[in-house]
Amino acid sequence: QSVLTQPPSASATPGQRVSISCSGSSSNIGTNYVYWYQQLPGTAPKLLIYRNNQRPSGVPDRFSASKSDTSASLAISGLRSEDEAEYYCATWDDSLSGVVFGGGTKLTVL
Amino acid sequence: QVQLVQSGAEVKKPGSSVKVSCKASGNIFNNYGLSWVRQAPGQGLEWMGGIIPMFGTTKEAQKFQGRVTITADESTNTAYLELSSLRPEDTAVYFCARDGSGNYYPEFDLWGQGTLVIVSS
Repeated sequence: QSVLTQPPSASATPGQRVSISCSGSSSNIGTNYVYWYQQLPGTAPKLLIYRNNQRPSGVPDRFSASKSDTSASLAISGLRSEDEAEYYCATWDDSLSGVVFGGGTKLTVL
Repeated sequence: QVQLVQSGAEVKKPGSSVKVSCKASGNIFNNYGLSWVRQAPGQGLEWMGGIIPMFGTTKEAQKFQGRVTITADESTNTAYLELSSLRPEDTAVYFCARDGSGNYYPEFDLWGQGTLVIVSS
């Protein structure tokens, strides 16, 4: 059972917009930055979003994120087949004094 | 371009220990932290702990306290994860990741390729 709750799966067709949610609590998302990772099969995760809504250089602006109270969401617009991957949210948890990840959301591009 | 290169796959017996290394191709220890994240087969990501070499401090996830040791050798730009009292459920791919925040936050902007550790009798 992950501290951060994500839907196990999401799907959309190419060109569409999809959103992935990440729900936490006051001890984690409520007071700390949220990060998002993309993991393609058999590879290491890749930082997609840092500090709630910032994109590292090289990440397309099709990827955006937001945070509100104890929840966060990642949005992908203009969906492409290469976006099919597992997506994870992460943050620091003050109560656990450690990093926590969501359980991951498998995105399927239909 | 800085890279993190990890040591090779390991097969260990239950009850034994494993030590995984993560060597940076450049000097990253001055301004960054280094964390270890594992992923069991078909499962999600799990943070194990991290080190901030500049300050010589470490932090371990509560779940692994007493079983995990994280160290860094600044002279060789290498970080290490040692996990003891191995159990079959420790079978996983272990990743090292550079922490861009330098403060244990999950701002992991550079990852190693992963090291598969199999625990089996």
